[in-house]
Amino acid sequence: EAGVAQSPRYKIIEKRQSVAFWCNPISGHATLYWYQQILGQGPKLLIQFQNNGVVDDSQLPKDRFSAERLKGVDSTLKIQPAKLEDSAVYLCASSLPRGGRTDTQYFGPGTRLTVL
Amino acid sequence: GEDVEQSLFLSVREGDSSVINCTYTDSSSTYLYWYKQEPGAGLQLLTYIFSNMDMKQDQRLTVLLNKKDKHLSLRIADTQTGDSAIYFCAELGGGSYIPTFGRGTSLIVHP
Repeated sequence: EAGVAQSPRYKIIEKRQSVAFWCNPISGHATLYWYQQILGQGPKLLIQFQNNGVVDDSQLPKDRFSAERLKGVDSTLKIQPAKLEDSAVYLCASSLPRGGRTDTQYFGPGTRLTVL
Repeated sequence: GEDVEQSLFLSVREGDSSVINCTYTDSSSTYLYWYKQEPGAGLQLLTYIFSNMDMKQDQRLTVLLNKKDKHLSLRIADTQTGDSAIYFCAELGGGSYIPTFGRGTSLIVHP
């Protein structure tokens, strides 16, 4: 079974530039998550999708971050414009929504963003 | 808000047992998790425990939960070099479907 795919793996940009990340979840997984992991910290949820609808985006800085999941499969996360504090690893995860608290989230390898 | 605390580093000799500790503040936690993150990879769920349990064993892994003290530990028996990674403790509060993660404990296994 193929895992969660993310691209690019690394990205270096200057502040005020734009950047986009792509995620392809495990086939059949209806729930998709984007996390931000700052160096030395645990992951923090940015947004959760169920199919192509947003379940939770309360932690997403909506003035600069946006995400979409058209057709309920792939997802993109965009930052426009980027700030220095956006430097982090952006993790995508997916899960089968069985409705329980232990729905296992399968994580991709992440995209490491460096903002100069 | 909820807080999850872990020590940052642990160094052990190959073959010894490792014990990684975690404390949390949310008294309504229902599930507690341990994740492993290897360099350049995403997080992998190792195990979880319900809040009404005090111990769970899975092969080389033993999870102990002291709900009164809000303390969780992960014991890895016969630690191998392949166990070197960052281990994250996470808790799921009542009414939530998204876990809160600690900062992670970097486990270094040396020969």
